[in-house]
Amino acid sequence: GEQVEQLPSILRVQEGSSASINCSYEDSASNYFPWYKQEPGENPKLIIDIRSNMERKQIQELIVLLDKKAKRFSLHITDTQPGDSAMYFCAATGNAPRFGAGTKLSVKP
Amino acid sequence: DPKIIQKPKYLVAVTGSEKILICEQYLGHNAMYWYRQSAKKPLEFMFSYSYQKLMDNQTASSRFQPQSSKKNHLDLQITALKPDDSATYFCASSQDPGTINERLFFGHGTKLSVL
Repeated sequence: GEQVEQLPSILRVQEGSSASINCSYEDSASNYFPWYKQEPGENPKLIIDIRSNMERKQIQELIVLLDKKAKRFSLHITDTQPGDSAMYFCAATGNAPRFGAGTKLSVKP
Repeated sequence: DPKIIQKPKYLVAVTGSEKILICEQYLGHNAMYWYRQSAKKPLEFMFSYSYQKLMDNQTASSRFQPQSSKKNHLDLQITALKPDDSATYFCASSQDPGTINERLFFGHGTKLSVL
């Protein structure tokens, strides 16, 4: 199955700054790359996704970039807020989404 | 009002026993999945089913057997439980995998503790 690498595992930023999470995948057939946010004790929830026919997508403060040649994609959260503190998971999809190991984001007020 | 129902929410089992984790979705989706989350392996893919047929399987052990009696049901039977099986098991669904409607929606999970 698809292997997805995600870095960093822990990310601490100051409120108002940007946070970036990077992922890479192996299977060039992967064509769908979602990002999920998981708060403690909750289930993962989709926050943004991008398909292989796009290079960039933005929803409010969330930006995802996709470099198909390098098999890399990334999530950028601009103007972070304490409410952005959570676990974030990237995924790459061939048949079923395989997830990265997760990034624990902490936003300090 | 959850659209993906997992039962039970918490489950305690003894080593060697057998348990069934229940999952029902009321989103009208055609594909269902099981993922496992523990401190060792966050969100590990286990199974995917589409129209009640197995699509993909990454679970090494035959102790884990999905059961789909209806299109909107995908239960997970676990036999000969071991302490290492302790984890939160998430059920998920999507409209149609491999299409524009392949976004996953997760249930709230069953937290299994094996003593």
